[in-house]
Amino acid sequence: QKEVEQDPGPLSVPEGAIVSLNCTYSNSAFQYFMWYRQYSRKGPELLMYTYSSGNKEDGRFTAQVDKSSKYISLFIRDSQPSDSATYLCAMSEGGGATNKLIFGTGTLLAVQP
Amino acid sequence: SAVISQKPSRDICQRGTSLTIQCQVDSQVTMMFWYRQQPGQSLTLIATANQGSEATYESGFVIDKFPISRPNLTFSTLTVSNMSPEDSSIYLCSVGLGGAETQYFGPGTRLLVL
Repeated sequence: QKEVEQDPGPLSVPEGAIVSLNCTYSNSAFQYFMWYRQYSRKGPELLMYTYSSGNKEDGRFTAQVDKSSKYISLFIRDSQPSDSATYLCAMSEGGGATNKLIFGTGTLLAVQP
Repeated sequence: SAVISQKPSRDICQRGTSLTIQCQVDSQVTMMFWYRQQPGQSLTLIATANQGSEATYESGFVIDKFPISRPNLTFSTLTVSNMSPEDSSIYLCSVGLGGAETQYFGPGTRLLVL
């Protein structure tokens, strides 16, 4: 069993839709949770970072962590064609700056104009 | 954040040869990481490179195959040695910034081994 599971998609939505991306994990020691966005032929770009359980909002993006269920989510409101990319969840036991990140396989999102 | 560059951006190599990938950061960082992203698979950590010490390799990765140098706080190299087609992948470096709790990634090096 992988430590982090993520639905690979592809996920196709119309412009303006609310998108929900999810990851589950098995390691209860994970404390730091991240979402990265990766455009084709580019490196991963940090979108959101959260520590422990709870919600965090940044513009159209909301990250949720439910440690009791070992489940994290990223919500994108009013999705735009420019949001079309692969979204990677990542997590670590210690602070992500100094510790190994464990990634999901990524979900490919296409927002149709 | 940090500006991270990698060279080369892509390469096509013959089996049995070696390729050295460079990672340059625009600020001094303690921790640098090297990841591999194979098609359809998760990013996987190869090794952690601290300046002034030997790199620490993850299970399944060995120094003879992936030697790493970290000569200063802004630069690192990863060599993929004696390449086979199974080494075809995207290789990414990342850095952890002081005061941040996550890593920032370079653009990646796309390697195809024939």
